[in-house]
Amino acid sequence: AQSVTQLGSHVSVSEGALVLLRCNYSSSVPPYLFWYVQYPNQGLQLLLKYTSAATLVKGINGFEAEFKKSETSFHLTKPSAHMSDAAEYFCAVSDPAGGGNKLTFGTGTQLKVEL
Amino acid sequence: DAGVIQSPRHEVTEMGQEVTLRCKPISGHNSLFWYRQTMMRGLELLIYFNNNVPIDDSGMPEDRFSAKMPNASFSTLKIQPSEPRDSAVYFCASSFGQGSAEAFFGQGTRLTVV
Repeated sequence: AQSVTQLGSHVSVSEGALVLLRCNYSSSVPPYLFWYVQYPNQGLQLLLKYTSAATLVKGINGFEAEFKKSETSFHLTKPSAHMSDAAEYFCAVSDPAGGGNKLTFGTGTQLKVEL
Repeated sequence: DAGVIQSPRHEVTEMGQEVTLRCKPISGHNSLFWYRQTMMRGLELLIYFNNNVPIDDSGMPEDRFSAKMPNASFSTLKIQPSEPRDSAVYFCASSFGQGSAEAFFGQGTRLTVV
C-alpha cells in the first residue's frame, strides 16, 4: 500500500525565512504526489503535484517541491515565509485503484510564521 | 462552478440520533471521497466512489456509518446512531480522471455529538 510520512507535526519559522516541510513516500509503483494546504475552518486546497513530468514542481503562492526518487522524498519549500503562509500542510500520494485516484494523506504539518 | 458543496456546515445532535451529511460534487467529476478529520487521528479516508460505485469503504469505522451515491451529483454519509466520538469535521471531495487528478474539497461539516 502507498503511504506518506510527514516529519514534524509543527514547524515554526520567522517571516522571511526559508520554509521546509518534509514528506517521504512509500510506493511500489511510480507515485503521484501532492501537497495540499488547509487554512483554518476551510477545506484543503491543492498547492502543487508531481506527475513525473519534471522533478522540480512549482505551485501556487511561491511554493515548490522536488521529487527525489533516491531519497523517496517530496519536500515542500518556499524561499521566504509570509505571515499568510500560516496553515496546515498535507502531503498525499495517489493510488489509481478502481480507476480513480484515491488519495492517502500524511498526518499534516502545522506551519507557524512569527514576526 | 460553485465547487464541492456540503451541507450542513455545522451540525449539533444528541447521542443516539441519526445524522445525515450531504455532498454535491463538481459537475463532471467521476470520483467522490468522504474524509473525517480529528485532532487525534488526522485526515482519514472513510469511503471512495468511482462512477457512483463504492470502490473502497475500508475506512468506514463501523456499521453505524453508511454512505450512498444514488447519482453523479449527490452523495450522503449517514451515522445511525451517533456517538460523541463521532464528533469531527467531515469533508467531501471530488475529482475527475485517474492518478494525477486533483481532488477538490468542500468546506466541510463540523459535527458535534453531545
